[in-house]
Amino acid sequence: SQQGEEDPQALSIQEGENATMNCSYKTSINNLQWYRQNSGRGLVHLILIRSNEREKHSGRLRVTLDTSKKSSSLLITASRAADTASYFCATANTGNQFYFGTGTSLTVIP
Amino acid sequence: DAGVTQSPTHLIKTRGQQVTLRCSPKSGHDTVSWYQQALGQGPQFIFQYYEEEERQRGNFPDRFSGHQFPNYSSELNVNALLLGDSALYLCASSSLDTDTQYFGPGTRLTVL
Repeated sequence: SQQGEEDPQALSIQEGENATMNCSYKTSINNLQWYRQNSGRGLVHLILIRSNEREKHSGRLRVTLDTSKKSSSLLITASRAADTASYFCATANTGNQFYFGTGTSLTVIP
Repeated sequence: DAGVTQSPTHLIKTRGQQVTLRCSPKSGHDTVSWYQQALGQGPQFIFQYYEEEERQRGNFPDRFSGHQFPNYSSELNVNALLLGDSALYLCASSSLDTDTQYFGPGTRLTVL
């Protein structure tokens, strides 16, 4: 079974609004990464946060990690129509084996 | 600098047949991982190759096998195809000194 679970499964917002999606996982991790996927194509790496980090920023993206709650959140600020995609969290163990969640489908309405 | 490439893009097979999918890693990467992504699901780890050896394996039957060549490219073979093998197959490359895996565009396999 997949370790990560994203919440919500689907999210629809207006352009310019912020989008927040959450990820929960089950076991200890080495790092957690967020990926974006457009229409069943390949995954694009967005951001990596290590187990000893609590928050990380990259452009309009902000990721937090709470290892005590085994959860992470991805915030996309000032969303654009081009942000419409599925977003996955992936947890990596020490062997760098990735476990993906089922994803959050984000729709940004122009 | 080419990223991860996969071939073919699409493939249609019938039950019982065998299929081979190919992946070339990003320049400088020596580790290749394969994932299966069913429609509406997240990718599931099949196995990972490093130095031409299978390093880790997910919960997939022996019908799924792989190979890595000296130039680090890799093949995924699936024997005795089942309808349930229909999926997007993703290849990702990385190196031991990086934690990020870079994904190719995938091969869409349809089993009829």
